[in-house]
Amino acid sequence: ETGVTQTPRHLVMGMTNKKSLKCEQHLGHNAMYWYKQSAKKPLELMFVYSLEERVENNSVPSRFSPECPNSSHLFLHLHTLQPEDSALYLCASSQAGWGDTQYFGPGTRLTVL
Amino acid sequence: AQKITQTQPGMFVQEKEAVTLDCTYDTSDQSYGLFWYKQPSSGEMIFLIYQGSYDEQNATEGRYSLNFQKARKSANLVISASQLGDSAMYFCAMRELNSGAGSYQLTFGKGTKLSVIP
Repeated sequence: ETGVTQTPRHLVMGMTNKKSLKCEQHLGHNAMYWYKQSAKKPLELMFVYSLEERVENNSVPSRFSPECPNSSHLFLHLHTLQPEDSALYLCASSQAGWGDTQYFGPGTRLTVL
Repeated sequence: AQKITQTQPGMFVQEKEAVTLDCTYDTSDQSYGLFWYKQPSSGEMIFLIYQGSYDEQNATEGRYSLNFQKARKSANLVISASQLGDSAMYFCAMRELNSGAGSYQLTFGKGTKLSVIP
């Protein structure tokens, strides 16, 4: 595997379900990110982990819970979501330097019924 | 005020022709970076090109070049010799040294949908 991978690629869940999105990077980076891409809105940064510590959560609702067990893996735990949370969730990674390029995974397309 | 403005929601270009996608930005930082990404219908954001605010030369990567005009705060992407596979959404993004999120914040524009016509 190379680059940034995400699983699952598609997810349909009910509002009462609990699910998790997984991201893995094979680039030797030490910063990882979750972004949300909704229809007709710019990408929104949700969470940043640098050297496995959370840097920013940008006021994301608590129904989204990130976890970064090591520098290669990032999870987004989902519970009691709302239909407006339906979106493409993109994971990215970079070196932990401010100018370094972020490389993205293919995304998980989430539909909340 | 928007930090990244992409004024062209959609563009068409003939195969093998060049096309310019516009991007203007707004920042008071002296240190910042500008990025262009391509997003095909599959969803993945593909990094194309980077320009640092202190770089004096315009960045180039293969068929992609960035027309950086600092005084005008514009960072237009030029794609030469368009190919059918270039059809996608294109996003301009900026990273500021003094942004939130410990300077990790990438601010994206709304994107331009490019369609290459055979």
